[in-house]
Amino acid sequence: GAGVSQSPSNKVTEKGKDVELRCDPISGHTALYWYRQSLGQGLEFLIYFQGNSAPDKSGLPSDRFSAERTGGSVSTLTIQRTQQEDSAVYLCASSLTGLAGGGSTDTQYFGPGTRLTVL
Amino acid sequence: AQTVTQSQPEMSVQEAETVTLSCTYDTSENNYYLFWYKQPPSRQMILVIRQEAYKQQNATENRFSVNFQKAAKSFSLKISDSQLGDTAMYFCAFMKPWGIIFGKGTRLHILP
Repeated sequence: GAGVSQSPSNKVTEKGKDVELRCDPISGHTALYWYRQSLGQGLEFLIYFQGNSAPDKSGLPSDRFSAERTGGSVSTLTIQRTQQEDSAVYLCASSLTGLAGGGSTDTQYFGPGTRLTVL
Repeated sequence: AQTVTQSQPEMSVQEAETVTLSCTYDTSENNYYLFWYKQPPSRQMILVIRQEAYKQQNATENRFSVNFQKAAKSFSLKISDSQLGDTAMYFCAFMKPWGIIFGKGTRLHILP
């Protein structure tokens, strides 16, 4: 597609259940990013993929969060045993070449996000 | 640690007026990028403008321009001839090697 797509657009789940969020980056983009935006807060960086590998997972808020990317394209963010504080909009972004050390960077394009509500 | 501060949680201006959104940041790095993102009610994040820290010239995109003061670590966004479609949350962002740090946003209302 022309842009980053995410599914589902909305997800309501019960506390304790697992959820999977999907991100389809722009075709040809090697870098993929996951962010979270809680109500009233700024965006929080979660994880970054360069190809299929994730150089930095330090943004993941707990070990209940995991992410994978296969084939250098689609990525899934999995939240196990969801808690109410996990309720947020989860945003995915992709960029053509990704990030490198020293601050060089590439423009990121965001998807529409998945609104997760944990009851 | 890097931080990004947007001191104006909410602003309202009349259509066609000029408005400036402030952003300050703190970093010890010399090479970095700064961004302004717009998030309209539809929630999709849209890149408005970006600035490379090594460039002294302020970035401009049509009605949007920035006032980048590197020594002061200030990166304000000016919207000229504001339009109703400019109503949105605006996020200032600082790019670090492994991700972006965002400010908490400024909610901008353009009034008819």
